[in-house]
Amino acid sequence: GAGVSQTPSNKVTEKGKYVELRCDPISGHTALYWYRQSLGQGPEFLIYFQGTGAADDSGLPNDRFFAVRPEGSVSTLKIQRTERGDSAVYLCASSESWGRNGYTFGSGTRLTVV
Amino acid sequence: AQKVTQAQTEISVVEKEDVTLDCVYETRDTTYYLFWYKQPPSGELVFLIRRNSFDEQNEISGRYSWNFQKSTSSFNFTITASQVVDSAVYFCALSAGNQFYFGTGTSLTVIP
Repeated sequence: GAGVSQTPSNKVTEKGKYVELRCDPISGHTALYWYRQSLGQGPEFLIYFQGTGAADDSGLPNDRFFAVRPEGSVSTLKIQRTERGDSAVYLCASSESWGRNGYTFGSGTRLTVV
Repeated sequence: AQKVTQAQTEISVVEKEDVTLDCVYETRDTTYYLFWYKQPPSGELVFLIRRNSFDEQNEISGRYSWNFQKSTSSFNFTITASQVVDSAVYFCALSAGNQFYFGTGTSLTVIP
């Protein structure tokens, strides 16, 4: 596609539920990143994929968070047993190589855990 | 450690005024990249500029200009003759390795 697409744009879920957030990167972009942006803060790194593999998952806050990219294009961020503190905007970005040329970001998914 | 500091949390200017957004960074890497992104109310981060650590030339693009000074670890962004459409949150970011490190952003409001 022309840009990075994230769905849903908004998600409200109850505490303890499981959620999946989807990212469809720009066609041909091998690198894909997930970031989390809390209110009033800059985006914080979660995980980086190069192709199908997670090259760096050091930003995932705990084992309730997991992400996959099985075919090297679409990625899904999965959050188990959601907590109110997980409420944030989850941003996805893609780039052609190692990201140093600047990422293209999607509009994000606003997750609210009630 | 990698860190980006944007000391200005909020700035308000009247339309047509010039405004400078400050960015100070910390890194031990000798090769790194600096970026500015704009985040309008729609939420999407819009890429504005990339600068590598070996290129200290200042850059101008229309009403936007950037001043990169390694001696002070700063990468400041100036908007000349501001317009209402410039109202947004602006993020400075540092890229070293696979990650981007963002500042906390500066919220700019341009008053008509």
